[in-house]
Amino acid sequence: GQNIDQPTEMTATEGAIVQINCTYQTSGFNGLFWYQQHAGEAPTFLSYNVLDGLEEKGRFSSFLSRSKGYSYLLLKELQMKDSASYLCAVSGANNLFFGTGTRLTVIP
Amino acid sequence: SAVISQKPSRDICQRGTSLTIQCQVDSQVTMMFWYRQQPGQSLTLIATANQGSEATYESGFVIDKFPISRPNLTFSTLTVSNMSPEDSSIYLCSVEPGTSGSWEQFFGPGTRLTVL
Repeated sequence: GQNIDQPTEMTATEGAIVQINCTYQTSGFNGLFWYQQHAGEAPTFLSYNVLDGLEEKGRFSSFLSRSKGYSYLLLKELQMKDSASYLCAVSGANNLFFGTGTRLTVIP
Repeated sequence: SAVISQKPSRDICQRGTSLTIQCQVDSQVTMMFWYRQQPGQSLTLIATANQGSEATYESGFVIDKFPISRPNLTFSTLTVSNMSPEDSSIYLCSVEPGTSGSWEQFFGPGTRLTVL
């Protein structure tokens, strides 16, 4: 079966750093994705980790530990436009399973 | 990457009727997926639709309720049959181009369905 957990909501201040955690238990693993979804819009791809370690892409970084079934998304220099839901998703055998998403609110 | 369009973008339907949602991709892709996103929730995979074979449905979803067609490598349809208010949701299609060794999926804009 698939089980993906992430916090439901988080609040952070503009200019700060926030870390969104994701733990997972899945049958089969082809990689872990983070997607951003603004209200009323489709999810858009942020990052992909298939090996352990940190992947950095501008203000966004994603970390994976396969042995611990753990990932996090790190957002630096937060901007108001970063207010969105962040979805952790695990790729199994040709399928992508999503966590419930973390709604991030950035405040001035 | 892939550009995906869906029709209709939104609809309001009566209980007991059916709606067919279309998904068009600008390139040929093997893997296409249909998701449902209920208000305030994350995405739930309904089925995987590969061209030339029957769709594979996830637990809790059946072909009689959500028949899927995949006539070619750029197009798919999802029908929501015999609708009830519980089917009110956003339905999204996605594709997995499979380029660069990544399993990244690209999503269509979604179809917002309201059932009265």
